[in-house]
Amino acid sequence: DAGVIQSPRHEVTEMGQEVTLRCKPISGHNSLFWYRQTMMRGLELLIYFNNNVPIDDSGMPEDRFSAKMPNASFSTLKIQPSEPRDSAVYFCASSLRQAATDTQYFGPGTRLTVL
Amino acid sequence: RKEVEQDPGPFNVPEGATVAFNCTYSNSASQSFFWYRQDCRKEPKLLMSVYSSGNEDGRFTAQLNRASQYISLLIRDSKLSDSATYLCVVGISGGSYIPTFGRGTSLIVHP
Repeated sequence: DAGVIQSPRHEVTEMGQEVTLRCKPISGHNSLFWYRQTMMRGLELLIYFNNNVPIDDSGMPEDRFSAKMPNASFSTLKIQPSEPRDSAVYFCASSLRQAATDTQYFGPGTRLTVL
Repeated sequence: RKEVEQDPGPFNVPEGATVAFNCTYSNSASQSFFWYRQDCRKEPKLLMSVYSSGNEDGRFTAQLNRASQYISLLIRDSKLSDSATYLCVVGISGGSYIPTFGRGTSLIVHP
């Protein structure tokens, strides 16, 4: 059974460009999470969805970041315009339910470098 | 005070050693607790959940101390393959599940 799928695995772009990260959660999972990981700040929750609806986006850094989940099998995280400080590894994770006891399954991450 | 705090380490131990990590959390309403493992340049993966009564999985033992608001992870008979970063995760329920990850504790097991 396929795990969480993310694309691209690596992205190098120039400041000011639009970046779109993609995620396919595990089939049947109802909750989806976007995280950002840096050496300085560790793993930060950006936003999470339950049944395709955004529940908490308080972690989204600023208006340059937006996330969508048009259906149960696909989500995007967009950065427009990108800045060098956005360079990080972005992880998508899914869980079966929106329950405090549920395991999160992470994708392999997208390593973003903004020059 | 950060919500979830861990000693970043690194903990540098020889094979066969016993090593323990602690993780403190600030929100007394926290209800779920996990340890995740993250290998270098890989994604985090669940190592084990932490139950109120404590739980064991092979060489790994997790404990929860609600009064002092910390969880611990004990690794016995360390293996080279245990070298990784161990992330503490604390969750708060009540309408929405908000997981908070610690910064992680780095473990290096050497021959």
